[in-house]
Amino acid sequence: SAVISQKPSRDICQRGTSLTIQCQVDSQVTMMFWYRQQPGQSLTLIATANQGSEATYESGFVIDKFPISRPNLTFSTLTVSNMSPEDSSIYLCSVGEGVTNEAFFGQGTRLTVV
Amino acid sequence: GIQVEQSPPDLILQEGANSTLRCNFSDSVNNLQWFHQNPWGQLINLFYIPSGTKQNGRLSATTVATERYSLLYISSSQTTDSGVYFCAGDFTGGGNKLTFGTGTQLKVEL
Repeated sequence: SAVISQKPSRDICQRGTSLTIQCQVDSQVTMMFWYRQQPGQSLTLIATANQGSEATYESGFVIDKFPISRPNLTFSTLTVSNMSPEDSSIYLCSVGEGVTNEAFFGQGTRLTVV
Repeated sequence: GIQVEQSPPDLILQEGANSTLRCNFSDSVNNLQWFHQNPWGQLINLFYIPSGTKQNGRLSATTVATERYSLLYISSSQTTDSGVYFCAGDFTGGGNKLTFGTGTQLKVEL
């Protein structure tokens, strides 16, 4: 399976600031996805990162709060903007592989907003 | 919207015991996967199983797509099996946009 690297692995940030999370894949992939996992909860899809076009956001998530870049087929960033303590979560990127499009995940970014 | 419910929500086992985790989903699924989330938050792929049965060591999984459920069997449980187990499905057919289940928190004790 592809190797998916996320940076940073964890961070503690002040409210009102922004954090950009990077996701690097060691092979070209068509689709990349960003998920959020709030404390004690399941994972929720934030958006699909499309190469060469704007990201597609799920209901409840907006571009102003979670801007996403996808400059090429191996890299994407997610920015969490104007953070509040409610943004404290694990953020994970995911790619689909092979003919089955089986999903694999990066190791996650654990964000704490104080 | 799509509902993916897992049961039980919490489970405590003695080491060596067997268990069955269940995942019920409310619509036709294109891609059903099981994951284990370790204490550090990383998701480990267990099975890609849109239908049928697969086995990998002490773990096996069965999906009956027509009846909209999947089962994960853990045999001879070990303390390292502790963590949260998620099922997740792609219900859109457009790739692998996963809807995750509610999760089962498993603790295996000595």
